[in-house]
Amino acid sequence: EAGVVQSPRYKIIEKKQPVAFWCNPISGHNTLYWYLQNLGQGPELLIRYENEEAVDDSQLPKDRFSAERLKGVDSTLKIQPAELGDSAVYLCASSPRPDQETQYFGPGTRLLVL
Amino acid sequence: GENVEQHPSTLSVQEGDSAVIKCTYSDSASNYFPWYKQELGKRPQLIIDIRSNVGEKKDQRIAVTLNKTAKHFSLHITETQPEDSAVYFCAAVWSYQKVTFGTGTKLQVIP
Repeated sequence: EAGVVQSPRYKIIEKKQPVAFWCNPISGHNTLYWYLQNLGQGPELLIRYENEEAVDDSQLPKDRFSAERLKGVDSTLKIQPAELGDSAVYLCASSPRPDQETQYFGPGTRLLVL
Repeated sequence: GENVEQHPSTLSVQEGDSAVIKCTYSDSASNYFPWYKQELGKRPQLIIDIRSNVGEKKDQRIAVTLNKTAKHFSLHITETQPEDSAVYFCAAVWSYQKVTFGTGTKLQVIP
């Protein structure tokens, strides 16, 4: 079984530029999460999807962050414009269904904003 | 919301010794407690978990204990090996899949 796939793995951009991250969850997993992980910290939830519906986006900074999961499979997280403080690892995770708490993480995208 | 505290932030042990990492949580409604291992530059991977109706769970050299009354749970690694070196995160799942992670413990096993 293929794991959660994320791309790109690394991204370096200048501040004020836009950036997008892509995630493909494990096949059949309906629940998808985007996390932000700062160095030396645990993952912090940005948004959670059940199929194509964003059921928890309370921690997503909506002034500059947006996400979509149009067909309920892969998802895109966007930052526009990026700020220096956005430098972090962006992790995607998925789980089979809402009542299954175990999450499977992707390798993450390491973002550096200069 | 839930608040999860994790201690210690760093831990060094000699190979073969035991390592214990402790987490406390604030929301008594939390009912699922996974532990993740994250090696440098890699994804977090689930190593063990425990539900609120269980007090202890063991998987080979790894065990987790849960004290619901005190709202704390611990990860125990026995007979540590160099490949156990990583950052370990605890987490608490509450209120329908809302999850809060601890701040992580960097474990170093010295050969």
